[in-house]
Amino acid sequence: AQSVTQLGSHVSVSEGALVLLRCNYSSSVPPYLFWYVQYPNQGLQLLLKYTSAATLVKGINDFEAEFKKSETSFHLTKPSAHMSDAAEYFCAVSDRESGGYQKVTFGTGTKLQVIP
Amino acid sequence: SQTIHQWPATLVQPVGSPLSLECTVEGTSNPNLYWYRQAAGRGLQLLFYSVGIGQISSEVPQNLSASRPQDRQFILSSKKLLLSDSGFYLCAWSRGANEKLFFGSGTQLSVL
Repeated sequence: AQSVTQLGSHVSVSEGALVLLRCNYSSSVPPYLFWYVQYPNQGLQLLLKYTSAATLVKGINDFEAEFKKSETSFHLTKPSAHMSDAAEYFCAVSDRESGGYQKVTFGTGTKLQVIP
Repeated sequence: SQTIHQWPATLVQPVGSPLSLECTVEGTSNPNLYWYRQAAGRGLQLLFYSVGIGQISSEVPQNLSASRPQDRQFILSSKKLLLSDSGFYLCAWSRGANEKLFFGSGTQLSVL
């Protein structure tokens, strides 16, 4: 069974500081990994997706994540936080052998606060 | 381009009343469709998914049901709402297995 653990339900950073949101996964097969962002009262939007083509994945708005198999981690980073980055971020894992449907397991989310 | 519409955006319903939330997708055919519920601090919980018309699979036993009367229409229903049905409901679609999910804007349901 697959699962996702996001460390820290709330993270605060100063504007311009490094953003680091942690995600660890477990999966019995090589996984697909995702980061989604959710702004207040909206649905989720995909930030980036890992598909095994490259361990360092670049997404929108200068976010990137690195897949580390040995650590079973897929942490999200951004070099310099903007006020507009304040949102909730979800890590998700998808089983490659899900057949005709996509069973995606989401983490519990991390709310990012950016302090001016 | 593809778009997903979900309505209503907010809904307040008394306990025991029925529920119908509708989701439609435009610009694609034969999408995989999903209903998720988001509760505070608990991430997203998959409620139902569908790979085709009339094909509905439930992930968790509950007071809710889903239907897919048309290829790009997905409906979430309940005959009698419970207090525990309150939450933020999200419809989503994908092109296939392990493809990214496209989410609707969500419905905030409050059962009083």
